[in-house]
Amino acid sequence: EVQLLESGGGLVQPGGSLRLSCAASGFTVSCCAMSWVRQAPGKGLEWVSTFGTSGGDTYYADSVKGRFTISRDSSKNTLYLQMNSLRPEDTAVYYCAKDRPESVWGQGTTVTVSS
Amino acid sequence: DIVMTQSPDSLAVSLGERATINCKSSQSLLHSSNNKNHLAWYQQKPGQPPKLLIYWASTRGSGVPDRFSGSGSGTDFSLTISSLQAEDVAVYYCQQYYYTRTFGQGTKVEVK
Repeated sequence: EVQLLESGGGLVQPGGSLRLSCAASGFTVSCCAMSWVRQAPGKGLEWVSTFGTSGGDTYYADSVKGRFTISRDSSKNTLYLQMNSLRPEDTAVYYCAKDRPESVWGQGTTVTVSS
Repeated sequence: DIVMTQSPDSLAVSLGERATINCKSSQSLLHSSNNKNHLAWYQQKPGQPPKLLIYWASTRGSGVPDRFSGSGSGTDFSLTISSLQAEDVAVYYCQQYYYTRTFGQGTKVEVK
């Protein structure tokens, strides 16, 4: 069964850092486009970043460009999102998802940026 | 950036009646490489991740009931629920995947 399991969320102060992980099972992360999508409390879905299938191409929303970095480790079959210089507006549930468009989603991990 | 705009923001429909949600993109989503519209629809219920309903504007996802249908091309698209069931109460999002991704703001569907 194809599954995604996010971890790494938590409470962090403004300006701090977190690294989110997304462990994949039932497929290899290198097979497909893999993305992070977030949802602020009571708000809609916001695409954050995608790791593509062509030569390690990566894409970022303007709101996180220069602060977030997406990566993957095929040996661990895991997708990552390194988040630096966090702001209160980054508070959200962060989902990882597989494919283009996103056909499989994890349950999400919650990130709260607050002092 | 491609902007996606849904209408209405919310919709109340009687059980068994038709519900239609519209989605407009700021540029055409019809890609010349495959002559397909790079438009998807998702359903999200409270406390759950989104579920892919429709892709390529009109292809139903795996296990999606046939009461859900997608239509449209270019910049104007629609999602129709032909006969609303209680389990269809959710927020629905359109998404373009022509270049990176953009979601519409969501449409909340409730029972009247």
